[in-house]
Amino acid sequence: QVQLVQSGGGVVQPGRSLRLSCAASGFTFSIYGMHWVRQAPGKGLEWVALISYDGINKHYADAVTGRFTISRDNSKNTVFLQMNSLRVEDTAVYYCARDRGWQVELQYFDNWGQGTLVTVSS
Amino acid sequence: EIVLTQSPATLSLSPGERATLSCRASQSVTTYLTWYQQKPGQAPRLLIFDASNRATGIPDRFSGSGSGTDFTLTISSLEPEDFAVYYCQQRSDWPPSFGPGTNVDIK
Repeated sequence: QVQLVQSGGGVVQPGRSLRLSCAASGFTFSIYGMHWVRQAPGKGLEWVALISYDGINKHYADAVTGRFTISRDNSKNTVFLQMNSLRVEDTAVYYCARDRGWQVELQYFDNWGQGTLVTVSS
Repeated sequence: EIVLTQSPATLSLSPGERATLSCRASQSVTTYLTWYQQKPGQAPRLLIFDASNRATGIPDRFSGSGSGTDFTLTISSLEPEDFAVYYCQQRSDWPPSFGPGTNVDIK
């Protein structure tokens, strides 16, 4: 069965960096786009970033452009989110999520990781 | 950027009752509208894609309808496990965006 297991996260001071990982299993990772979606405490869902199945195309929400970088290693079935210059408002549970499309990004999400909490605080 | 609004914010119902949730888009999204369910402490779960197609394993008491700017998620008879927050999401325009959610709670 499809599994997305996240790691990373924790408490970090404003301006510092953090890297999240999401290890996939149970499907052919290299043919699916992958996303990061976040949820601030008690709030709704916010799309953060997308990487295409082959790693060539990357897109970001305006709120994180220039600070966050999404990447993937298809040989290790893992997607990453490098978060730099973190701000208090980046505090959220971060989810990795699989795009529903095969070798095309449909921009909706059929499987989700368990989520990891990132807290940005001094 | 397309803005989604959901109503009501909270829906208080009893098990066995019918739930009708609304999602409205600020401009047409044709049928590129998705519904998710989220329970406390859990990741969201895909329910309905492209306005009316149930995802794999989703019971047929869940149905979606609509096109353009107005969409509805209907739960025909609420089961205890259906009490949760429901989000709509559009993929018609960049970036993909979510509505604020409807909380279906037990009356």
